[in-house]
Amino acid sequence: AQTVTQSQPEMSVQEAETVTLSCTYDTSESNYYLFWYKQPPSRQMILVIRQEAYKQQNATENRFSVNFQKAAKSFSLKISDSQLGDTAMYFCAFMIGGNTPLVFGKGTRLSVIA
Amino acid sequence: DADVTQTPRNRITKTGKRIMLECSQTKGHDRMYWYRQDPGLGLRLIYYSFDVKDINKGEISDGYSVSRQAQAKFSLSLESAIPNQTALYFCATRRGASTDTQYFGPGTRLTVL
Repeated sequence: AQTVTQSQPEMSVQEAETVTLSCTYDTSESNYYLFWYKQPPSRQMILVIRQEAYKQQNATENRFSVNFQKAAKSFSLKISDSQLGDTAMYFCAFMIGGNTPLVFGKGTRLSVIA
Repeated sequence: DADVTQTPRNRITKTGKRIMLECSQTKGHDRMYWYRQDPGLGLRLIYYSFDVKDINKGEISDGYSVSRQAQAKFSLSLESAIPNQTALYFCATRRGASTDTQYFGPGTRLTVL
């Protein structure tokens, strides 16, 4: 079975600084898909970024980027120029293919401090 | 209007009561999912459905049942609610066998007293 591990239950960062959230996963598959979701206090699940395992280039979405290390099975999220609105739970998720549901990590609670 | 809706948004019930959580979507997706979120445990899959006639158990299906009334509707039932089922419940959808993301509803906060 595939598993996703987020080893940092809580983190904090000063406004305008950079923070990195860690995620590791376990699978024997060679092709799969990785996601980071944000859950603000409104509790809505919002997709932040997506990465296909067959792509070597790290995905980037504005201030959000990933460091995907396939051999190490690591998928960390970097948030640059942190803003107060980035305060949220962040979930790492994994999917093998279109016929499999997402598998989630336990989440990291990020607080951005003014 | 939201593409994936859940009703109710919040519900308080008592132990032993039967309760149904409903999910509707206008995205035209054939795949629908029910997840449960607990503090410190992330989101865990309860049931999922590929179409009206194809329903599958997830990681934590005990104590729950589902009904796919139509492509757009997927309901989750607790036949006899217990306090341990107090949680945030999410419905999600996805298009076919695509590798796109799943789209989530706003969640239902359920409290069982």
